[in-house]
Amino acid sequence: DAGVTQSPTHLIKTRGQQVTLRCSPISGHKSVSWYQQVLGQGPQFIFQYYEKEERGRGNFPDRFSARQFPNYSSELNVNALLLGDSALYLCASSLWGPALQEQYFGPGTRLTVT
Amino acid sequence: AQSVTQLDSQVPVFEEAPVELRCNYSSSVSVYLFWYVQYPNQGLQLLLKYLSGSTLVESINGFEAEFNKSQTSFHLRKPSVHISDTAEYFCAVIHGSGNTGKLIFGQGTTLQVKP
Repeated sequence: DAGVTQSPTHLIKTRGQQVTLRCSPISGHKSVSWYQQVLGQGPQFIFQYYEKEERGRGNFPDRFSARQFPNYSSELNVNALLLGDSALYLCASSLWGPALQEQYFGPGTRLTVT
Repeated sequence: AQSVTQLDSQVPVFEEAPVELRCNYSSSVSVYLFWYVQYPNQGLQLLLKYLSGSTLVESINGFEAEFNKSQTSFHLRKPSVHISDTAEYFCAVIHGSGNTGKLIFGQGTTLQVKP
């Protein structure tokens, strides 16, 4: 079975631009979460979605937004990019309920802002 | 604030030697605990987890971790490491206050296995 997939793999943007990152969860998983991993640090929680609704939000500015589609795939949007947004963006999928704790991560999208 | 502390940023060790990667968490409620491994230029892979039951949990590749509630720790151990274990290891926690699914990660520990 296919795991969590993310696209693109790498992305280079300039300050002020906007970016959209995409994630497809494992088949049967209805919850998707997004994390930001800055070089040398642990991942930081950005959003969690379930059944197209936002179920959790981390401490990130409003420049960050996301949505989930009927097929449970998800997009993360970042507006007005800053140099500090350069990071590996990870998507994780899981079942809901008690199994929510078992999250499976994709390979990530490496975003570089210049 | 809820937090996870990995006490060592880097752990160098020779092949076939034992290793322990330390993790402490802060929480006043029930928690679920995890260790993830990240190989260079890859995403995170779940290594092992503690949800309930036995406080000693094991992975398929020889790692084990013990949940110690009194010391709020979840240290990762392996009796004999291989070169292929070289990677970044992250301890993480989900606080058991509903279906949040929000993983809180430590800063990571780089395990460097030398021949």
